[in-house]
Amino acid sequence: AQSVTQLDSQVPVFEEAPVELRCNYSSSVSVYLFWYVQYPNQGLQLLLKYLSGSTLVESINGFEAEFNKSQTSFHLRKPSVHISDTAEYFCAVRETNTGFQKLVFGTGTRLLVSP
Amino acid sequence: GAGVSQSPRYKVAKRGQDVALRCDPISGHVSLFWYQQALGQGPEFLTYFQNEAQLDKSGLPSDRFFAERPEGSVSTLKIQRTQQEDSAVYLCASSLVGQPSLFFGPGTRLTVL
Repeated sequence: AQSVTQLDSQVPVFEEAPVELRCNYSSSVSVYLFWYVQYPNQGLQLLLKYLSGSTLVESINGFEAEFNKSQTSFHLRKPSVHISDTAEYFCAVRETNTGFQKLVFGTGTRLLVSP
Repeated sequence: GAGVSQSPRYKVAKRGQDVALRCDPISGHVSLFWYQQALGQGPEFLTYFQNEAQLDKSGLPSDRFFAERPEGSVSTLKIQRTQQEDSAVYLCASSLVGQPSLFFGPGTRLTVL
């Protein structure tokens, strides 16, 4: 079965600084990878996803993530964060096998952006 | 509707009470999922429906948890004889069949006193 590890439970950073949120996964088969963001008292919103093709994927608000198969990683990066990026970020994996495959989440990383 | 909706948004129950949580998926989405998110944790899978068929309920923590989707649209997650450890946010998600991405609702925050 697949699993996801987010080693950093909390990442404090100053506004306009770069940030990287780490995500490693484990699976015996090929996977789809996702980052979801959860703002306070809200549901999960899809930030970006890797399904196939280019290993570098981007979101509309400046985040990017790179799928690294050899390192089984899908780290999330942003070159310059804003106060409004403060939220909980969840990495998730789903096996590509046909039929039902559940989405498995990591424990989340809280990004705290301060002025 | 435009997105997945859930009701109620907040529910406080006394230990031992039964609760029912409702999910309205995105129109046309055949697949529906329930997840449980404990405080400070990532969402944990509970159960999956394809139309009205419950194809996987391996994540339901006990036989006090029951989910249904009788007409293949709205789904209800019922918890009988609630316990304090049931306190969590219950998230519903939907998707088209075969589509990898899930769309989540805002969740129902259940507090059991």
